[in-house]
Amino acid sequence: DAGVIQSPRHEVTEMGQEVTLRCKPISGHNSLFWYRQTMMRGLELLIYFNNNVPIDDSGMPEDRFSAKMPNASFSTLKIQPSEPRDSAVYFCASSPGTGWAYEQYFGPGTRLTVT
Amino acid sequence: AQSVTQLGSHVSVSEGALVLLRCNYSSSVPPYLFWYVQYPNQGLQLLLKYTTGATLVKGINGFEAEFKKSETSFHLTKPSAHMSDAAEYFCAVSEQGTYKYIFGTGTRLKVLA
Repeated sequence: DAGVIQSPRHEVTEMGQEVTLRCKPISGHNSLFWYRQTMMRGLELLIYFNNNVPIDDSGMPEDRFSAKMPNASFSTLKIQPSEPRDSAVYFCASSPGTGWAYEQYFGPGTRLTVT
Repeated sequence: AQSVTQLGSHVSVSEGALVLLRCNYSSSVPPYLFWYVQYPNQGLQLLLKYTTGATLVKGINGFEAEFKKSETSFHLTKPSAHMSDAAEYFCAVSEQGTYKYIFGTGTRLKVLA
């Protein structure tokens, strides 16, 4: 099992540019989460998908952020336009079930730097 | 609202010494509890979890945690620290009927030679 795969691992971009982060969950997992990690705010849940459907996007900070999951094996998180305050590590996690008992499996993260 | 408190953002121990990382939660209903470890430049990895049953939970790498309902605690321990244990550790809870984890702010463990 390859685990959760994220790409790119590092992204450096200039303010105003569009950024797309990609995630491939573990095969067979039906829940997918996007998190953001910063020193100031810790781990924040951005959005949660279940069976490819966005269930909770209340953590998405602004309309500049959008996420899609076109199929069970792929999800994207897009920031357009990007700003320096978006600099963070973005994690994707997947889970084999729905609900509170299931552990989440995290990808290695994408370190985003916006200059 | 559910919350998780990790006492001590930084903990230092000598190699071979006991590791104790503290986690307290607030919940009117016993939640499911998790400990994750994050090594530098990596994602979070599950160490152990408590769901129901035995209150002492054993995890990977020699770690264990004990669920104490009366104290609303789920502290993580390891009898003898190893240099490879240096990492950041996160406690998380999930509440019945939800899909969300509430993460603690993390404790960075440093192991001194």
